[in-house]
Amino acid sequence: AQSVSQHNHHVILSEAASLELGCNYSYGGTVNLFWYVQYPGQHLQLLLKYFSGDPLVKGIKGFEAEFIKSKFSFNLRKPSVQWSDTAEYFCAVNARYGNNRLAFGKGNQVVVIP
Amino acid sequence: DTEVTQTPKHLVMGMTNKKSLKCEQHMGHRAMYWYKQKAKKPPELMFVYSYEKLSINESVPSRFSPECPNSSLLNLHLHALQPEDSALYLCASSQATGGINHEQFFGPGTRLTVL
Repeated sequence: AQSVSQHNHHVILSEAASLELGCNYSYGGTVNLFWYVQYPGQHLQLLLKYFSGDPLVKGIKGFEAEFIKSKFSFNLRKPSVQWSDTAEYFCAVNARYGNNRLAFGKGNQVVVIP
Repeated sequence: DTEVTQTPKHLVMGMTNKKSLKCEQHMGHRAMYWYKQKAKKPPELMFVYSYEKLSINESVPSRFSPECPNSSLLNLHLHALQPEDSALYLCASSQATGGINHEQFFGPGTRLTVL
């Protein structure tokens, strides 16, 4: 079964600072990778996804993530955050040829101070 | 239409009540999911339906009873719940469960409070 690790559960930063959230997974086979965001009081939304191809993936709202297969990592980045990026961020993984069971990381709570 | 809808948005129920949560999607997806999410925690998978058949039950207590009347609808019937069952219940759908490249689309959830 897949498992996902996210570090630094609580992140506090100022507007215009850069953000990087780490995500590492453990699974021996081929995976699909996702970052979801949950704004306060709102539902889970897909930020970006990686299935295959270019390991640098661009998502919505200026976010990007890089898949590094050798490191089993899929880190999320944004060069300059805004107050509206305050949210919970979840990394998730599923097996490419499995039953689509998503394994979520524990999440990163990001607070951006104006 | 890339939307998963859920009703009601909020539900308060007593431990002896029977209620149901509803989920609907019109994307032609053949897989639907129920998740439970506690505050500040990731979603936990409860059930998966594939082509209207229950394919995964993550050892969920029998006081939660899922139902998939057709490919667009998913219900979760609740009976004799406990206060610790209070949570956000999320529905999701995807094109299918097997194969490749199937992202899950999540609904807004039902916020359930059990008194």
